[in-house]
Amino acid sequence: AQKVTQAQTEISVVEKEDVTLDCVYETRDTTYYLFWYKQPPSGELVFLIRRNSFDEQNEISGRYSWNFQKSTSSFNFTITASQVVDSAVYFCALSEATGRDDKIIFGKGTRLHILP
Amino acid sequence: DTEVTQTPKHLVMGMTNKKSLKCEQHMGHRAMYWYKQKAKKPPELMFVYSYEKLSINESVPSRFSPECPNSSLLNLHLHALQPEDSALYLCASSQDTRRDWGYEQYFGPGTRLTVT
Repeated sequence: AQKVTQAQTEISVVEKEDVTLDCVYETRDTTYYLFWYKQPPSGELVFLIRRNSFDEQNEISGRYSWNFQKSTSSFNFTITASQVVDSAVYFCALSEATGRDDKIIFGKGTRLHILP
Repeated sequence: DTEVTQTPKHLVMGMTNKKSLKCEQHMGHRAMYWYKQKAKKPPELMFVYSYEKLSINESVPSRFSPECPNSSLLNLHLHALQPEDSALYLCASSQDTRRDWGYEQYFGPGTRLTVT
């Protein structure tokens, strides 16, 4: 069965520090997709990135970067020069094929506190 | 525009009431989803509609009844709920649910439901 593990339940860092959120996944599928979502205190999940299993290139978007390593089944997320607005719960997620459809299964999330 | 809207934002209902949650998207997406999220937990998938047909029901109790009147609208009808059903109900949409395509989902702000 598919599984997503976010071992860090809660992290606190001081503003401007870099922080990495870990994500380890398990799947038997050869084609799969990985995602990161951000959920600020307002409650809405915000889509950050989607990666397919055939593309191991790292991605950078502003202060955000993602490191995908199939060899270790990991898809880690780094925030550089963190800001208070980055405080949120971050979910890593994995696609799971069910019949003719894909659905997403979420990790338990990492609550990130950026302290001013 | 990646916007999914949900109404109402908050809902308080008694165990004998009947109410409905509404969700709308205008991105031309053909898949829509209902999730339930309890505090400090990841979203749990409830239902998936693909091309206006129910394609996934995650063994949700019949007191929750989904409806997809057209490709832009998704309703969740609630009847005889229990206090433990109190949660944040999130709607999402994606371009498709096609297996092995892994489309990202876009979420609405949620309806915070309290059952008294």
